[in-house]
Amino acid sequence: GEDVEQSLFLSVREGDSSVINCTYTDSSSTYLYWYKQEPGAGLQLLTYIFSNMDMKQDQRLTVLLNKKDKHLSLRIADTQTGDSAIYFCAESFPNQAGTALIFGKGTTLSVSS
Amino acid sequence: GAVVSQHPSRVICKSGTSVKIECRSLDFQATTMFWYRQFPKQSLMLMATSNEGSKATYEQGVEKDKFLINHASLTLSTLTVTSAHPEDSSFYICSARDPSSGGGAKNIQYFGAGTRLSVL
Repeated sequence: GEDVEQSLFLSVREGDSSVINCTYTDSSSTYLYWYKQEPGAGLQLLTYIFSNMDMKQDQRLTVLLNKKDKHLSLRIADTQTGDSAIYFCAESFPNQAGTALIFGKGTTLSVSS
Repeated sequence: GAVVSQHPSRVICKSGTSVKIECRSLDFQATTMFWYRQFPKQSLMLMATSNEGSKATYEQGVEKDKFLINHASLTLSTLTVTSAHPEDSSFYICSARDPSSGGGAKNIQYFGAGTRLSVL
C-alpha cells in the first residue's frame, strides 16, 4: 500500500540550513505537501508542490521533488529557533471516500542557538 | 488562511462514558472533513472522511459504532467516542477541505488544533 518515509530527527544550529527528506511510494500522487506541527497543536500547511514541478520556493522554504526517485525534500534557509517543530511530509491518494492524505511519521527538527 | 476550530482541546473522562469532539470551519464551507488519530511520536492515522449530509466513510479497522461521526452542516462535524476506554486515549485531530482554495484536486486540508483525550 501507500507509504511515506521520513527520517525521525534533525538537529541544526540557528542560522544554518535544514534539509528534511521524504520518500513516497504512490507515483500517481498529483500533489505532495509539507506540514508543521508544534507541541500540542494541530498541523499547519507550510507548502505543497504539484507533481509536474521540480522545485518550488516560498521565502525561506524550498521544496525539491524528484519524481523518478519518489523523493521530496524541504529546505529551510536561515533556520531559527522558532522553526523547531515536527515536520510531516504527505501525499495525496485516492480512497473510497475520494481523495485523502497519507502522512509520514514526521521529522523532529531541533534548532539550537 | 482558512481557520478550523476544534473543541475541546483537552478532555478527561471516566471509562464507559461518551465524549463528543467538535470541528468547525470558521470562514469557509467545508463539504468534506476528516478525522485523524495520532499516537505519541507517530504519524496521523486517518479514521474517517465526513461528507456533509451523508454517512461518513470509515477506514479499515475503525469501528463505526465506537466512533460516531456526524456532519450535519457545511461548517460542523462532530466525532463522538462512545463508551470510551483507556485504549481510546489519544490525540484526535480534524481537518477540513476548502473547495474554494484548492480543496479539490489540490486536496488542501486545514487542521484544527487537536483534542487530547484521556480516559481513566
